[in-house]
Amino acid sequence: SQTIHQWPATLVQPVGSPLSLECTVEGTSNPNLYWYRQAAGRGLQLLFYSVGIGQISSEVPQNLSASRPQDRQFILSSKKLLLSDSGFYLCAWSVPRRSGNEQFFGPGTRLTVL
Amino acid sequence: GENVEQHPSTLSVQEGDSAVIKCTYSDSASNYFPWYKQELGKGPQLIIDIRSNVGEKKDQRIAVTLNKTAKHFSLHITETQPEDSAVYFCAASELTGGGNKLTFGTGTQLKVEL
Repeated sequence: SQTIHQWPATLVQPVGSPLSLECTVEGTSNPNLYWYRQAAGRGLQLLFYSVGIGQISSEVPQNLSASRPQDRQFILSSKKLLLSDSGFYLCAWSVPRRSGNEQFFGPGTRLTVL
Repeated sequence: GENVEQHPSTLSVQEGDSAVIKCTYSDSASNYFPWYKQELGKGPQLIIDIRSNVGEKKDQRIAVTLNKTAKHFSLHITETQPEDSAVYFCAASELTGGGNKLTFGTGTQLKVEL
Protein backbone atom coordinates (compact mmCIF):
# COMPACT_ATOMS: atom_id res chain seq x y z
CA SER A 1 0.00 0.00 0.00
CA GLN A 2 1.02 3.59 -0.52
CA THR A 3 2.10 5.88 2.28
CA ILE A 4 3.15 9.49 2.37
CA HIS A 5 5.46 11.03 4.94
CA GLN A 6 6.15 14.62 5.86
CA TRP A 7 8.70 16.08 8.25
CA PRO A 8 9.10 17.77 10.43
CA ALA A 9 5.64 17.63 11.98
CA THR A 10 6.04 21.05 13.58
CA LEU A 11 8.54 23.83 13.11
CA VAL A 12 9.10 27.22 14.69
CA GLN A 13 11.43 29.49 12.77
CA PRO A 14 12.48 33.15 13.07
CA VAL A 15 11.76 35.62 10.32
CA GLY A 16 14.56 35.63 7.74
CA SER A 17 15.69 32.07 8.39
CA PRO A 18 15.74 29.39 5.67
CA LEU A 19 13.20 26.58 5.34
CA SER A 20 13.24 23.04 4.07
CA LEU A 21 10.22 20.75 4.33
CA GLU A 22 10.40 17.24 2.97
CA CYS A 23 7.77 14.88 1.61
CA THR A 24 8.29 11.31 0.49
CA VAL A 25 5.89 8.76 -0.97
CA GLU A 26 6.24 5.00 -0.74
CA GLY A 27 4.56 2.22 -2.64
CA THR A 28 4.04 3.94 -5.99
CA SER A 29 6.08 5.09 -8.96
CA ASN A 30 6.06 8.35 -10.91
CA PRO A 31 3.35 10.00 -8.83
CA ASN A 32 2.14 13.54 -9.31
CA LEU A 33 3.17 15.49 -6.24
CA TYR A 34 1.66 18.64 -4.73
CA TRP A 35 2.38 21.22 -2.04
CA TYR A 36 -0.54 23.02 -0.43
CA ARG A 37 -0.69 25.65 2.30
CA GLN A 38 -3.58 25.99 4.68
CA ALA A 39 -3.89 29.16 6.73
CA ALA A 40 -5.70 28.94 10.07
CA GLY A 41 -9.42 28.38 9.50
CA ARG A 42 -9.04 28.57 5.74
CA GLY A 43 -9.11 26.30 2.73
CA LEU A 44 -6.22 24.71 0.90
CA GLN A 45 -4.16 26.76 -1.51
CA LEU A 46 -2.11 24.90 -4.14
CA LEU A 47 1.47 26.17 -4.16
CA PHE A 48 3.36 23.79 -6.47
CA TYR A 49 2.82 20.58 -8.35
CA SER A 50 5.16 18.21 -10.14
CA VAL A 51 4.52 15.54 -12.78
CA GLY A 52 8.09 14.21 -12.77
CA ILE A 53 11.66 14.61 -11.56
CA GLY A 54 12.85 18.18 -12.01
CA GLN A 55 9.43 19.31 -13.30
CA ILE A 56 7.88 21.95 -11.08
CA SER A 57 4.89 24.18 -11.74
CA SER A 58 4.24 27.16 -9.51
CA GLU A 59 0.69 28.25 -8.89
CA VAL A 60 1.19 31.32 -6.75
CA PRO A 61 4.06 33.85 -6.85
CA GLN A 62 5.66 33.83 -3.45
CA ASN A 63 8.64 33.51 -1.22
CA LEU A 64 8.78 29.72 -1.58
CA SER A 65 10.27 27.27 -4.06
CA ALA A 66 9.93 23.54 -4.65
CA SER A 67 12.19 20.83 -5.97
CA ARG A 68 11.85 17.17 -6.87
CA PRO A 69 15.29 15.60 -6.78
CA GLN A 70 13.96 12.02 -6.83
CA ASP A 71 10.82 10.37 -8.16
CA ARG A 72 9.11 10.13 -4.79
CA GLN A 73 10.66 13.09 -2.98
CA PHE A 74 9.27 16.60 -2.95
CA ILE A 75 10.92 19.47 -1.09
CA LEU A 76 9.54 22.89 -0.19
CA SER A 77 12.11 25.59 0.51
CA SER A 78 12.62 29.22 1.29
CA LYS A 79 15.77 31.28 1.58
CA LYS A 80 14.24 33.82 3.96
CA LEU A 81 10.98 33.20 5.78
CA LEU A 82 8.33 35.87 6.20
CA LEU A 83 5.70 36.11 8.92
CA SER A 84 3.09 35.43 6.25
CA ASP A 85 4.67 32.03 5.53
CA SER A 86 3.18 30.64 8.74
CA GLY A 87 0.62 27.92 8.14
CA PHE A 88 -0.07 24.24 7.77
CA TYR A 89 1.81 22.77 4.82
CA LEU A 90 0.43 19.68 3.18
CA CYS A 91 1.98 17.41 0.63
CA ALA A 92 -0.21 15.23 -1.58
CA TRP A 93 0.22 12.65 -4.31
CA SER A 94 -1.85 11.21 -7.09
CA VAL A 95 -1.34 8.55 -9.74
CA PRO A 96 -1.96 10.11 -13.16
CA ARG A 97 -2.74 6.82 -14.83
CA ARG A 98 -5.68 6.00 -12.60
CA SER A 99 -9.06 7.08 -13.87
CA GLY A 100 -9.96 8.73 -10.62
CA ASN A 101 -6.96 10.98 -10.14
CA GLU A 102 -7.63 11.01 -6.42
CA GLN A 103 -5.20 13.03 -4.34
CA PHE A 104 -3.99 11.66 -1.03
CA PHE A 105 -2.59 13.93 1.63
CA GLY A 106 0.23 13.58 4.10
CA PRO A 107 -0.03 14.43 7.81
CA GLY A 108 1.20 18.01 7.30
CA THR A 109 3.82 20.31 8.81
CA ARG A 110 2.76 23.11 11.14
CA LEU A 111 5.09 26.07 10.49
CA THR A 112 5.16 29.09 12.78
CA VAL A 113 7.31 32.03 11.80
CA LEU A 114 8.06 34.42 14.65
CA GLY B 1 -9.80 29.30 -13.54
CA GLU B 2 -12.09 27.23 -11.39
CA ASN B 3 -13.86 28.76 -8.40
CA VAL B 4 -15.56 26.62 -5.75
CA GLU B 5 -17.93 28.03 -3.15
CA GLN B 6 -18.97 26.01 -0.12
CA HIS B 7 -21.82 26.50 2.36
CA PRO B 8 -22.39 26.62 5.24
CA SER B 9 -19.11 27.51 6.91
CA THR B 10 -20.30 25.96 10.19
CA LEU B 11 -22.98 23.37 10.83
CA SER B 12 -24.24 21.97 14.14
CA VAL B 13 -26.52 18.95 14.23
CA GLN B 14 -27.81 16.62 16.89
CA GLU B 15 -26.47 13.09 16.93
CA GLY B 16 -28.56 10.93 14.64
CA ASP B 17 -29.69 13.81 12.44
CA SER B 18 -28.60 14.35 8.85
CA ALA B 19 -26.08 16.93 7.66
CA VAL B 20 -25.91 18.47 4.19
CA ILE B 21 -23.03 20.54 2.80
CA LYS B 22 -23.35 22.25 -0.57
CA CYS B 23 -20.80 23.41 -3.12
CA THR B 24 -21.00 25.22 -6.42
CA TYR B 25 -18.33 25.39 -9.11
CA SER B 26 -17.78 27.71 -12.04
CA ASP B 27 -15.86 25.77 -14.70
CA SER B 28 -18.12 23.58 -16.84
CA ALA B 29 -15.04 21.51 -17.82
CA SER B 30 -14.67 20.21 -14.26
CA ASN B 31 -15.62 16.56 -14.10
CA TYR B 32 -14.24 15.19 -10.84
CA PHE B 33 -15.56 16.20 -7.42
CA PRO B 34 -13.98 14.79 -4.25
CA TRP B 35 -14.89 15.41 -0.63
CA TYR B 36 -12.34 15.46 2.16
CA LYS B 37 -12.66 15.21 5.92
CA GLN B 38 -10.02 16.94 8.02
CA GLU B 39 -9.65 16.34 11.72
CA LEU B 40 -7.83 18.83 13.88
CA GLY B 41 -4.09 18.87 13.21
CA LYS B 42 -4.24 16.20 10.51
CA GLY B 43 -4.13 16.06 6.75
CA PRO B 44 -7.40 15.87 4.79
CA GLN B 45 -8.74 12.38 4.14
CA LEU B 46 -10.64 11.52 0.98
CA ILE B 47 -14.05 10.18 2.00
CA ILE B 48 -15.99 10.03 -1.25
CA ASP B 49 -15.82 11.35 -4.79
CA ILE B 50 -18.03 11.56 -7.83
CA ARG B 51 -17.40 11.90 -11.53
CA SER B 52 -19.52 13.87 -13.94
CA ASN B 53 -20.99 10.81 -15.62
CA VAL B 54 -22.79 9.93 -12.38
CA GLY B 55 -25.55 11.84 -10.60
CA GLU B 56 -25.30 10.22 -7.19
CA LYS B 57 -22.97 7.98 -5.24
CA LYS B 58 -23.43 6.43 -1.84
CA ASP B 59 -21.10 4.77 0.63
CA GLN B 60 -22.83 3.64 3.81
CA ARG B 61 -23.90 6.82 5.67
CA ILE B 62 -22.28 9.16 3.16
CA ALA B 63 -23.71 10.19 -0.19
CA VAL B 64 -22.82 12.78 -2.79
CA THR B 65 -25.10 14.23 -5.47
CA LEU B 66 -24.09 16.15 -8.56
CA ASN B 67 -26.13 18.49 -10.74
CA LYS B 68 -24.00 19.33 -13.77
CA THR B 69 -26.56 21.68 -15.27
CA ALA B 70 -26.68 23.82 -12.17
CA LYS B 71 -22.98 23.21 -11.39
CA HIS B 72 -23.49 22.19 -7.83
CA PHE B 73 -22.80 19.13 -5.74
CA SER B 74 -23.64 18.18 -2.19
CA LEU B 75 -22.45 15.91 0.59
CA HIS B 76 -25.08 14.14 2.67
CA ILE B 77 -24.25 12.45 5.96
CA THR B 78 -27.05 10.46 7.59
CA GLU B 79 -27.31 9.22 11.16
CA THR B 80 -24.52 11.51 12.25
CA GLN B 81 -22.20 10.43 15.03
CA PRO B 82 -19.82 12.43 17.24
CA GLU B 83 -16.86 11.08 15.27
CA ASP B 84 -18.26 12.81 12.18
CA SER B 85 -17.28 16.13 13.77
CA ALA B 86 -14.54 17.63 11.59
CA VAL B 87 -13.96 20.13 8.79
CA TYR B 88 -15.23 18.98 5.40
CA PHE B 89 -13.87 20.29 2.11
CA CYS B 90 -15.29 19.93 -1.35
CA ALA B 91 -13.14 20.27 -4.45
CA ALA B 92 -13.45 20.30 -8.22
CA SER B 93 -11.04 19.26 -10.94
CA GLU B 94 -10.79 18.45 -14.60
CA LEU B 95 -9.48 14.95 -15.09
CA THR B 96 -6.33 14.95 -17.19
CA GLY B 97 -3.40 12.63 -17.64
CA GLY B 98 -1.05 15.28 -16.39
CA GLY B 99 -0.97 17.37 -13.26
CA ASN B 100 -4.41 17.14 -11.76
CA LYS B 101 -5.18 20.38 -9.94
CA LEU B 102 -7.91 20.49 -7.35
CA THR B 103 -9.67 23.71 -6.45
CA PHE B 104 -11.01 23.53 -2.91
CA GLY B 105 -13.93 25.14 -1.18
CA THR B 106 -13.35 27.05 2.03
CA GLY B 107 -14.52 24.24 4.30
CA THR B 108 -17.44 23.46 6.61
CA GLN B 109 -16.91 22.91 10.32
CA LEU B 110 -19.37 20.16 11.26
CA LYS B 111 -20.16 19.66 14.94
CA VAL B 112 -22.27 16.71 15.99
CA GLU B 113 -23.72 17.29 19.43
CA LEU B 114 -24.80 14.60 21.85
